Amino acid sequence: DADVTQTPRNRITKTGKRIMLECSQTKGHDRMYWYRQDPGLGLRLIYYSFDVKDINKGEISDGYSVSRQAQAKFSLSLESAIPNQTALYFCATSDRETGDLYGYTFGSGTRLTVV
Amino acid sequence: EDQVTQSPEALRLQEGESSSLNCSYTVSGLRGLFWYRQDPGKGPEFLFTLYSAGEEKEKERLKATLTKKESFLHITAPKPEDSATYLCAVQGAGTYKYIFGTGTRLKVLA
Repeated sequence: DADVTQTPRNRITKTGKRIMLECSQTKGHDRMYWYRQDPGLGLRLIYYSFDVKDINKGEISDGYSVSRQAQAKFSLSLESAIPNQTALYFCATSDRETGDLYGYTFGSGTRLTVV
Repeated sequence: EDQVTQSPEALRLQEGESSSLNCSYTVSGLRGLFWYRQDPGKGPEFLFTLYSAGEEKEKERLKATLTKKESFLHITAPKPEDSATYLCAVQGAGTYKYIFGTGTRLKVLA
């Protein structure tokens, strides 16, 4: 099993629908992140959480919300999806103690299309 | 404003043809510079962290170097399995935030 698992892998949804992307990890890491990847724009941070009670906005949080249900689970919600939220979404984890030495561990991504 | 620029956008090499990828950065106090590899349909995979100018890290055919303004990822005698997108990211001092570049798409032909 992958260290960081994202579900679903692919999703097509309609404008205005609520959708949740889920992320679970077996790394035992305390820090979790949601990124969005668009062609030509690189990875951009949506939200991050340093522990279960700590949730912080990233650079592009508008239109998104998150929930940290447990140390191992971090979900991203689009309350009312719009077409410009079509993108590849990645969940990532890191460890507070070793942090930068080993970088982030990324999931395989969720390809979301909003029509 | 913190910024990362990677060049070239795309690179095609013959197997065994060595080359370098560039990552130029502007950041207020560099805490770390990171290289990742991303295969199609997968998430980025961590390669290296560099902390200070003059530092070098190696892994198989890859060597990363760092100056005060840029980092290079040198690929020696590449093989087709080295084909991927290579991402660079920086973290400024006193911040959690990583700034990612848009990547270099590398294709190594057999």
